[in-house]
Amino acid sequence: DAKTTQPPSMDCAEGRAANLPCNHSTISGNEYVYWYRQIHSQGPQYIIHGLKNNETNEMASLIITEDRKSSTLILPHATLRDTAVYYCIVRANFGNEKLTFGTGTRLTIIP
Amino acid sequence: NAGVTQTPKFRILKIGQSMTLQCTQDMNHNYMYWYRQDPGMGLKLIYYSVGAGITDKGEVPNGYNVSRSTTEDFPLRLELAAPSQTSVYFCASSYMDTEAFFGQGTRLTVV
Repeated sequence: DAKTTQPPSMDCAEGRAANLPCNHSTISGNEYVYWYRQIHSQGPQYIIHGLKNNETNEMASLIITEDRKSSTLILPHATLRDTAVYYCIVRANFGNEKLTFGTGTRLTIIP
Repeated sequence: NAGVTQTPKFRILKIGQSMTLQCTQDMNHNYMYWYRQDPGMGLKLIYYSVGAGITDKGEVPNGYNVSRSTTEDFPLRLELAAPSQTSVYFCASSYMDTEAFFGQGTRLTVV
């Protein structure tokens, strides 16, 4: 797996957009960018993934730069329940069995 | 669907005892994973499996054993428990390399 770099922690005001960056400068052409989050003491939860194009679902948006060396997860209207550790993972679909996690970004939503 | 179910939720073991952490999924996923998470730390991959009868080591396999006799079940065996194995254990499953679904964890204390 390509390595990712994330800031260890971030704060965001409740109701504002939370923008979580991730650098993956060694990403390969067949590797997707996945985001998961882990709310305190719970199992990690899948958020979103993408290859080249920007993606949006009911939870978040994923913006991937044109050179694919970095991406940003956007939580459009952060709530207190979004306080969690967010993990950015790059992984090739088909043929890459391991799913390994880095240290992630601890996002704290401030009331 | 129940998703990924782990039992027990909590367990206290004495040093040198053994136990099996159970994990079952009802989503017909072929990939399954076991992780441990020490307090304040990230997830470390212990073992994974890409299908019944196939298992492979992750980042921290020492002191653990697994088996995968059915698609649904992926038990993790601890032999000769040690205090260093005090952790929260998470099981996960996925269809191939797509998004993974996690159980709620087993909190294990070895005293």
